[in-house]
Amino acid sequence: NAGVTQTPKFQVLKTGQSMTLQCAQDMNHEYMSWYRQDPGMGLRLIHYSVGAGITDQGEVPNGYNVSRSTTEDFPLRLLSAAPSQTSVYFCASSYSRRSATNEKLFFGSGTQLSVL
Amino acid sequence: AQKVTQAQTEISVVEKEDVTLDCVYETRDTTYYLFWYKQPPSGELVFLIRRNSFDEQNEISGRYSWNFQKSTSSFNFTITASQVVDSAVYFCALSDPNTGGFKTIFGAGTRLFVKA
Repeated sequence: NAGVTQTPKFQVLKTGQSMTLQCAQDMNHEYMSWYRQDPGMGLRLIHYSVGAGITDQGEVPNGYNVSRSTTEDFPLRLLSAAPSQTSVYFCASSYSRRSATNEKLFFGSGTQLSVL
Repeated sequence: AQKVTQAQTEISVVEKEDVTLDCVYETRDTTYYLFWYKQPPSGELVFLIRRNSFDEQNEISGRYSWNFQKSTSSFNFTITASQVVDSAVYFCALSDPNTGGFKTIFGAGTRLFVKA
């Protein structure tokens, strides 16, 4: 059971480049989210989705786009990368609310992104 | 708005000492969930505990214990007889019930150093 899979693990971009961070889960979780982790700031929520076709903004959504066309996938897009987006990104998912609400978040292994 | 405050940025203890990590939260909701996660030096995020806002019973799991007090909006975490393997960043988190409880906000984290 793969759980939550994030790719790539490392990425270096130049300012202005675009890229997509991939996230996939095989646990049939309805809820998926993206966080960024910066020193001294903990994990900050970028965007989240409570089901296919439904997304919403978190605490720090600017500069990022998401879509949720399937239950399994929740990609995060940087349209024009900026140095301020240098961070470690984590994707997370959680159980269907039909089964048990507020269970723990399952995290991917993270993507270390550097924007030069 | 919801908020989680972990005032202790770093704590350093000697092995076998007890250590308490503080967490104070803010929410206007009457139903919510509180969590603790651990991030060891390897970088993955590990779930430790979930607490329902209606359940104020303290919990003990081995060397770990949690003290939840709604009156002070605190959810503190104590490690008894700390070990070097406890060295990690610990995050307290709060869920938002308005999204079915899945939108989770994290504190800035407390970095714990346990010296041999």
